[in-house]
Amino acid sequence: NAGVMQNPRHLVRRRGQEARLRCSPMKGHSHVYWYRQLPEEGLKFMVYLQKENIIDESGMPKERFSAEFPKEGPSILRIQQVVRGDSAAYFCASSSQTDTDTQYFGPGTRLTVL
Amino acid sequence: DQQVKQNSPSLSVQEGRISILNCDYTNSMFDYFLWYKKYPAEGPTFLISISSIKDKNEDGRFTVFLNKSAKHLSLHIVPSQPGDSAVYFCAASENTGNQFYFGTGTSLTVIP
Repeated sequence: NAGVMQNPRHLVRRRGQEARLRCSPMKGHSHVYWYRQLPEEGLKFMVYLQKENIIDESGMPKERFSAEFPKEGPSILRIQQVVRGDSAAYFCASSSQTDTDTQYFGPGTRLTVL
Repeated sequence: DQQVKQNSPSLSVQEGRISILNCDYTNSMFDYFLWYKKYPAEGPTFLISISSIKDKNEDGRFTVFLNKSAKHLSLHIVPSQPGDSAVYFCAASENTGNQFYFGTGTSLTVIP
């Protein structure tokens, strides 16, 4: 019973390095969402993707952040030149084409920027 | 700008009693609401949802109430069990959108 999978679970980067976070949606799901949870805050929407398309990136910072969901393989959230403020838990969620109202979350990747 | 608010960061309840978690929202365009439960080091798990055409939805020990005029919803857990101890997030979405707006969470502790 493969749910949403994220790896790595923990990622440590130094300032200026790149961070790549991977998300494999639940089997049969073609919609992927990325959320970020900063300390003491709720989850904040970043981006919504379908296969090979970015549908809504209104929550994504304009610089250094990018996301993709290729035809084959996992969705990738990429953060270039990380800064301390990027330290957070990044959650991926997926939904099916027929029920986009219910999003199923992965366990998250905790990014720590030293 | 926090469109979904959970004003109680924590709540303690005796086992067997009712737990009531509250959530307020500001955006009148929200028409679908969900509650997620989160254990440490895990992702949020969907618990129960309600659409704006209803004012109540029940699933076992969990009931969600929606008061649209007050822009308020609540989650009732009865009877509460120690395994219910977790952080509960309220989330909302608009009909035209796919992103969820989350509250900051309420940490529930059920005391045996």
